[in-house]
Amino acid sequence: DQQVKQNSPSLSVQEGRISILNCDYTNSMFDYFLWYKKYPAEGPTFLISISSIKDKNEDGRFTVFLNKSAKHLSLHIVPSQPGDSAVYFCAASNAGGTSYGKLTFGQGTILTVHP
Amino acid sequence: KAGVTQTPRYLIKTRGQQVTLSCSPISGHRSVSWYQQTPGQGLQFLFEYFSETQRNKGNFPGRFSGRQFSNSRSEMNVSTLELGDSALYLCASSLGGAGPYEQYFGPGTRLTVT
Repeated sequence: DQQVKQNSPSLSVQEGRISILNCDYTNSMFDYFLWYKKYPAEGPTFLISISSIKDKNEDGRFTVFLNKSAKHLSLHIVPSQPGDSAVYFCAASNAGGTSYGKLTFGQGTILTVHP
Repeated sequence: KAGVTQTPRYLIKTRGQQVTLSCSPISGHRSVSWYQQTPGQGLQFLFEYFSETQRNKGNFPGRFSGRQFSNSRSEMNVSTLELGDSALYLCASSLGGAGPYEQYFGPGTRLTVT
């Protein structure tokens, strides 16, 4: 039972354009969502997070949108740069509950930004 | 501030052996979570420790165990290794305590079981 799904295995965009990565979840107990970037042979790097009490959070070129009714979140990267090429993971947690320290991850989306 | 460190980075073991992996969290972080990453299953939660106590455990067999020391450093142990245990093992640290916190990951330990 995959509770967090990233339905696009890969995404290719041109440098300078917008990258939109999508994520869907099924567990209504999730109340905190995070995006991570991962390069090969490295651990995931935290990018940005959002609490379920918000619908948008911005940090520089990265914006995360949360649509609770649709159980959907997205990460926008504007403008995209070649260095953004990596695997992006969506993760969710039930921070307000007793599921301590557990992040549930999607399968990841490979982003390629072409110069 | 130094990041999360994991040792060793690479390990090759034989079926039936046991292995211990180590994780040093970011200074001041009291929570350490462990994950297994495989191509088929993705990133799966193993367990979490906070103040030397296991607070949460994922759906893994009892061969997988861990502990946390008073300085928040953590170790995980896998006994009676199986071929399917070959994976990247990641630890992540966070402040812990009440409320949501982002987790910061180490570089991982690549375990190969032959």
